Amino acid sequence: GAGVSQSPSNKVTEKGKDVELRCDPISGHTALYWYRQSLGQGLEFLIYFQGNSAPDKSGLPSDRFSAERTGGSVSTLTIQRTQQEDSAVYLCASSLVVWEIAKNIQYFGAGTRLSVL
Amino acid sequence: QKEVEQNSGPLSVPEGAIASLNCTYSDRGSQSFFWYRQYSGKSPELIMFIYSNGDKEDGRFTAQLNKASQYVSLLIRDSQPSDSATYLCAVGGGATNKLIFGTGTLLAVQP
Repeated sequence: GAGVSQSPSNKVTEKGKDVELRCDPISGHTALYWYRQSLGQGLEFLIYFQGNSAPDKSGLPSDRFSAERTGGSVSTLTIQRTQQEDSAVYLCASSLVVWEIAKNIQYFGAGTRLSVL
Repeated sequence: QKEVEQNSGPLSVPEGAIASLNCTYSDRGSQSFFWYRQYSGKSPELIMFIYSNGDKEDGRFTAQLNKASQYVSLLIRDSQPSDSATYLCAVGGGATNKLIFGTGTLLAVQP
């Protein structure tokens, strides 16, 4: 697609329910990142995918959070047994991997605003 | 100490003036430096990136990097009210180039 697409744009859920957030990266981008933006916390890294594998999951805040990527394209971030502190905007970014990885430019989707009541 | 630090602002400048946004980082191994602009309720939009010491200019924007001082800045010349937004400094590096973000500086350009 032309840009990074995320769905849903907004999600309201009850505490304890599971949610799935979807990210469709820019076509041809093999690197995919999930970030979370909370009020007063800034933007924090959650997980990185290269193809379908996730070599860096260091930012996932607890074992309630998991993510997968299939076909080297779409990724799903799942939050189980949601808590109020999970309320945030979840942002996905993708980049075209070039040989000098530090020069990969990340482009962001519009995000999913998650509200846990 | 935060890994990437920015003054939260707000930084208020009159229309037509130069806005100067600053960022410091703690990891000397950082390799890539980005400035993103974020309007309220929107996602971050890439403005500039810089990898080498010195200045990099793109239109009204100039990014400056000083690795010895672990300092990166963004200058916006001829500031416009449409430049009013939060500017996020992000630092990348390592095998994954995951970005570490500052908390952002809110810029307000007064007409």
